[in-house]
Amino acid sequence: GQSLEQPSEVTAVEGAIVQINCTYQTSGFYGLSWYQQHDGGAPTFLSYNALDGLEETGRFSSFLSRSDSYGYLLLQELQMKDSASYFCAAGGTYKYIFGTGTRLKVLA
Amino acid sequence: DGGITQSPKYLFRKEGQNVTLSCEQNLNHDAMYWYRQDPGQGLRLIYYSQIVNDFQKGDIAEGYSVSREKKESFPLTVTSAQKNPTAFYLCASSASGTASNQPQHFGDGTRLSIL
Repeated sequence: GQSLEQPSEVTAVEGAIVQINCTYQTSGFYGLSWYQQHDGGAPTFLSYNALDGLEETGRFSSFLSRSDSYGYLLLQELQMKDSASYFCAAGGTYKYIFGTGTRLKVLA
Repeated sequence: DGGITQSPKYLFRKEGQNVTLSCEQNLNHDAMYWYRQDPGQGLRLIYYSQIVNDFQKGDIAEGYSVSREKKESFPLTVTSAQKNPTAFYLCASSASGTASNQPQHFGDGTRLSIL
């Protein structure tokens, strides 16, 4: 079957660095995306990795290792507004499979 | 500004009733998607469409139907056959239906409840 596994919850303090992992098992894998969703809101696109390695976008970075079927999202200089759910999504043929989601709590 | 508009924001369904959720995009995107999200859960794919007049079942299509008569519109009907329709429904679009490296843009969602 196709699945993406993430930790259900991560807690960190303001100003810290946090890593959210994603392990996947999919067929026809094209790349890994990350989305942020605040409570009651719509998911918003954060980053995409087509190739192995690190992609950096401001305070957010995302990493992919195809050989390990593994990726992560790295959030630096955490702010209270980063408290949200984060989803990885595997791009396959014509569609996406979303991970189970990780709820990030940022403490003051 | 370009984007995706979903309506209504809240919807209530009576027993035995079909209801239709609207999704319109002005991004000129080819591909459109419908997802269902239950509390504390991820997104599950209901239907997707890569191009006008074509659509495919996702992982949980039973009890739902769609149409894609226009590029900008992808309405979802929740039929009476869907026995547990209470959920948050999200519509999304992406520039290409074949290249899954394109980011998906989401609407603000419709929250459906049973009366």
